[in-house]
Amino acid sequence: DGGITQSPKYLFRKEGQNVTLSCEQNLNHDAMYWYRQDPGQGLRLIYYSQIVNDFQKGDIAEGYSVSREKKESFPLTVTSAQKNPTAFYLCASSTLYGVSYEQYFGPGTRLTVT
Amino acid sequence: EDQVTQSPEALRLQEGESSSLNCSYTVSGLRGLFWYRQDPGKGPEFLFTLYSAGEEKEKERLKATLTKKESFLHITAPKPEDSATYLCAVMAGTASKLTFGTGTRLQVTL
Repeated sequence: DGGITQSPKYLFRKEGQNVTLSCEQNLNHDAMYWYRQDPGQGLRLIYYSQIVNDFQKGDIAEGYSVSREKKESFPLTVTSAQKNPTAFYLCASSTLYGVSYEQYFGPGTRLTVT
Repeated sequence: EDQVTQSPEALRLQEGESSSLNCSYTVSGLRGLFWYRQDPGKGPEFLFTLYSAGEEKEKERLKATLTKKESFLHITAPKPEDSATYLCAVMAGTASKLTFGTGTRLQVTL
């Protein structure tokens, strides 16, 4: 089955700890994205990558870091510098060529930091 | 800055009662407008892409339309299983990123 996997589904961490969220896709998509979703707010873009070994900051990149060493993988690290890390994190991917640019989303990881 | 506004915030319908959700946008150089459905605790599910004013797309009880300033998601004779949050997003300019609205939470009751 082609798709996007995120793990784990739920993650709990103590304040001050860094945590890495996993995102893998087997859709052969060039671009991958990380969004954050808070209650009552739309999805906000954290980082995106259009090619291996390259990525760009989104609207709310502070306190987050990413890497793109493989086309299939785009892990997100939530650092201790992120002031309000508790949220629902969504990973997405899309093709960059052809007529359709829709993004396909993974199931999400709910991070709780106490 | 790209802006997307969805209305209403929440909508409660009875089964069979048709209605429309609105997505108004302000962007420079629209490349596409996207509709997604999101169930609680899950990732958004892609529904439609619209590229130019006048375009329409249909899927089961859903029909999406696009003008130069807004898009509508028409729901005909909805069923309880249509209950979800519907998200609208735009892609503009040269970047591949999406700007999302805050969504419309739809509840369809028997």
